[in-house]
Amino acid sequence: NAGVTQTPKFQVLKTGQSMTLQCAQDMNHEYMSWYRQDPGMGLRLIHYSVGAGITDQGEVPNGYNVSRSTTEDFPLRLLSAAPSQTSVYFCASSYTLPGQGIHEQYFGPGTRLTVT
Amino acid sequence: KNEVEQSPQNLTAQEGEFITINCSYSVGISALHWLQQHPGGGIVSLFMLSSGKKKHGRLIATINIQEKHSSLHITASHPRDSAVYICAGSMRGAQKLVFGQGTRLTINP
Repeated sequence: NAGVTQTPKFQVLKTGQSMTLQCAQDMNHEYMSWYRQDPGMGLRLIHYSVGAGITDQGEVPNGYNVSRSTTEDFPLRLLSAAPSQTSVYFCASSYTLPGQGIHEQYFGPGTRLTVT
Repeated sequence: KNEVEQSPQNLTAQEGEFITINCSYSVGISALHWLQQHPGGGIVSLFMLSSGKKKHGRLIATINIQEKHSSLHITASHPRDSAVYICAGSMRGAQKLVFGQGTRLTINP
């Protein structure tokens, strides 16, 4: 199994450009999520999905869109990049147990994004 | 108000020392996750526990549900254990984790 894969590893954008960060998992996990990690801020949830066709907002969703057309893929779209979106982005997947919330999370390697 | 609080924020120790990182959490969190992140690296899940204790090699995680407290212990610490350790709470019935701020651990040879 490849686990959780993310592309690209690094990206530089100019303000106003759009792009899509790709995330895929081959573990048949129903739960997938996107986080951003900024110095001194810890991990913050951007969007998450509990299954194909279902997405919801996390703590910091503004400026980002997601879709979940398949169980495997969960792309994150930046609509119009801003310098405040400079960050490291992690995708994660997990399965859930009824009434117990999220089980062990598997993280992708991260995408380091710089917006100038 | 942060629902998951970690301490200490930074910890420096000598190789071989016994390490303890603490995590306190609020009502509503049903399980605790411990994650490890090496400098410039990805994030690895070490443990998920909702009761008792789990052990993997030199790492031990415990949780006290009554006191809403969890600890991560490292025995015979080694420089390769230098990393940021993050605890995160899983909310019962909610599909998200609440993260602590992380503990930066440095083990000197």
